[in-house]
Amino acid sequence: GAGVSQTPSNKVTEKGKYVELRCDPISGHTALYWYRQSLGQGPEFLIYFQGTGAADDSGLPNDRFFAVRPEGSVSTLKIQRTERGDSAVYLCASSSSGGQTQYFGPGTRLLVL
Amino acid sequence: EDQVTQSPEALRLQEGESSSLNCSYTVSGLRGLFWYRQDPGKGPEFLFTLYSAGEEKEKERLKATLTKKESFLHITAPKPEDSATYLCAVQAGTGTASKLTFGTGTRLQVTL
Repeated sequence: GAGVSQTPSNKVTEKGKYVELRCDPISGHTALYWYRQSLGQGPEFLIYFQGTGAADDSGLPNDRFFAVRPEGSVSTLKIQRTERGDSAVYLCASSSSGGQTQYFGPGTRLLVL
Repeated sequence: EDQVTQSPEALRLQEGESSSLNCSYTVSGLRGLFWYRQDPGKGPEFLFTLYSAGEEKEKERLKATLTKKESFLHITAPKPEDSATYLCAVQAGTGTASKLTFGTGTRLQVTL
């Protein structure tokens, strides 16, 4: 079956620009997570959704980062006024209702010049 | 604050040379400990979930074990295709879903 998909796979932008990263979870999965992974590090939690609502956004680094999941399926991570320090791989994961195992997508590699 | 420490940072083995990777953790109320494999340029691939001390799980050449303070990933007679970064993560708290806290991983290289 289809896994978690993320688009684009790579994104290059300039400092100060706005970017949107998209995640399409496994069909039927109710929980969706965003993580950020820097080179040589483990994934770092950003935010997770249960259905349409953000259940925990404690990992968002500042108010330039925002995420939505309006219909409880696809999610978009939005970054305003990008900074060079935002360069990383942004990973999305999903899990089923009542399930603990999170299944990851391939990630979006963001490079801010 | 939940913490996960993995060792060694990197490990180089010859094909067939068995070894173990360590994951030590401090967490308030462990709900699960997870092992993932990550290949370069890919997202983490799920391997195992362990829920309580004493639990063991196996898959091909891999075996994961759990105590109250740490988990081990044992690799028996590894092959070059086992080369990857192995990530350990813990899940704590209440509710049906919550965030994972990851370690920095162990980079495993298996040579012929």
